[in-house]
Amino acid sequence: KQEVTQIPAALSVPEGENLVLNCSFTDSAIYNLQWFRQDPGKGLTSLLLIQSSQREQTSGRLNASLDKSSGRSTLYIAASQPGDSATYLCAAIETSGSRLTFGEGTQLTVNP
Amino acid sequence: GAVVSQHPSWVICKSGTSVKIECRSLDFQATTMFWYRQFPKQSLMLMATSNEGSKATYEQGVEKDKFLINHASLTLSTLTVTSAHPEDSSFYICSAPKIPGKGGEQYFGPGTRLTVT
Repeated sequence: KQEVTQIPAALSVPEGENLVLNCSFTDSAIYNLQWFRQDPGKGLTSLLLIQSSQREQTSGRLNASLDKSSGRSTLYIAASQPGDSATYLCAAIETSGSRLTFGEGTQLTVNP
Repeated sequence: GAVVSQHPSWVICKSGTSVKIECRSLDFQATTMFWYRQFPKQSLMLMATSNEGSKATYEQGVEKDKFLINHASLTLSTLTVTSAHPEDSSFYICSAPKIPGKGGEQYFGPGTRLTVT
């Protein structure tokens, strides 16, 4: 059974810092890995999808990397802003279908 | 990107009543949809996989007679919480892949917050 772990559980940084969120998964036989953002009381916003054949994906100030062999993915946020404050979730997508297994999330606070 | 809607966005019901939540894919056909539950300060837990034209597949520990799922069309799946109790209060989110079975990107609904009093 796939297990996804995110470290740290919470992170508070001053505005402008570059930061890294970590995600690890136990079963490396994943199809894709997806990063989401969730604001309090809201649904999920997809940030980046990394296909298993890819090493990384970039969107604006966000860069996500994937190392299947070691079971790890990282989300890099450059020049953080208060608007980046949210919970960030990673999810591993199984190979046989489309089921996602989510991590517990990292709650990020960027202080002005 | 693809759009998935949910209705209602929030609902309050009395203990013992049933509540139906709808999940619709607005601009694509979804033969498979997923239902998740999220308790406060916790991550999303998959409850069941909804398959158009066949029975839903429930995750271990999820009561299929309590959480009734009907995938009546290629754009609609419904989750009915029967005989709701306060412990069923949660945030329910559905998702659908645009290309099922291919591990592709999932599109999530905005969620439904259920409060059982």
